[in-house]
Amino acid sequence: DTGVSQDPRHKITKRGQNVTFRCDPISEHNRLYWYRQTLGQGPEFLTYFQNEAQLEKSRLLSDRFSAERPKGSFSTLEIQRTEQGDSAMYLCASSLPIDRAPYNEQFFGPGTRLTVL
Amino acid sequence: QKEVEQDPGPLSVPEGAIVSLNCTYSNSAFQYFMWYRQYSRKGPELLMYTYSSGNKEDGRFTAQVDKSSKYISLFIRDSQPSDSATYLCAMSAPVSARQLTFGSGTQLTVLP
Repeated sequence: DTGVSQDPRHKITKRGQNVTFRCDPISEHNRLYWYRQTLGQGPEFLTYFQNEAQLEKSRLLSDRFSAERPKGSFSTLEIQRTEQGDSAMYLCASSLPIDRAPYNEQFFGPGTRLTVL
Repeated sequence: QKEVEQDPGPLSVPEGAIVSLNCTYSNSAFQYFMWYRQYSRKGPELLMYTYSSGNKEDGRFTAQVDKSSKYISLFIRDSQPSDSATYLCAMSAPVSARQLTFGSGTQLTVLP
């Protein structure tokens, strides 16, 4: 399977704990995105990487959230001091360079479902 | 007010029916339009993408964009039970060409 992969698929944690999620994009995709989706809503943009550079962050991304893509390949999203309101599906997407994907078509992974107790 | 509004459904149709799914948007900067299908507890799957006003057809699916009315539609012909899913419209502006702005999704059930 050459699609976007995410790990873990499910995470249950207690309030106040730190969690880290991993995303492996499709090879050749230099653009990588993180989104958050709550029940009954569409995905909401969190942050965007082009290669290893984090070029855009949503105001949804509070100080407790940090994302990295150290070598321009996989990415991690960390949430510190989790709160119950962080419970959601965290989705990663990737896309080809803009000259090969001018419509900005993005391909999503299966997501990591986070439950904060 | 959200930038993208989508008929929430749920929508239930008999097998073989023609389904119409719709979104309106308020941001005139949106230039690229996409439809995603999302099965329960899965990631969104890209169905179609388009840029200009008009129709784009792919098999049983037709995407329609009317920029003057800020209105997009997805039509599904000869609907099948396997089409049962949540359908999300998404759009982006060319300047950023980064984030997608999604509608809240329409849940569709096709009854056999």
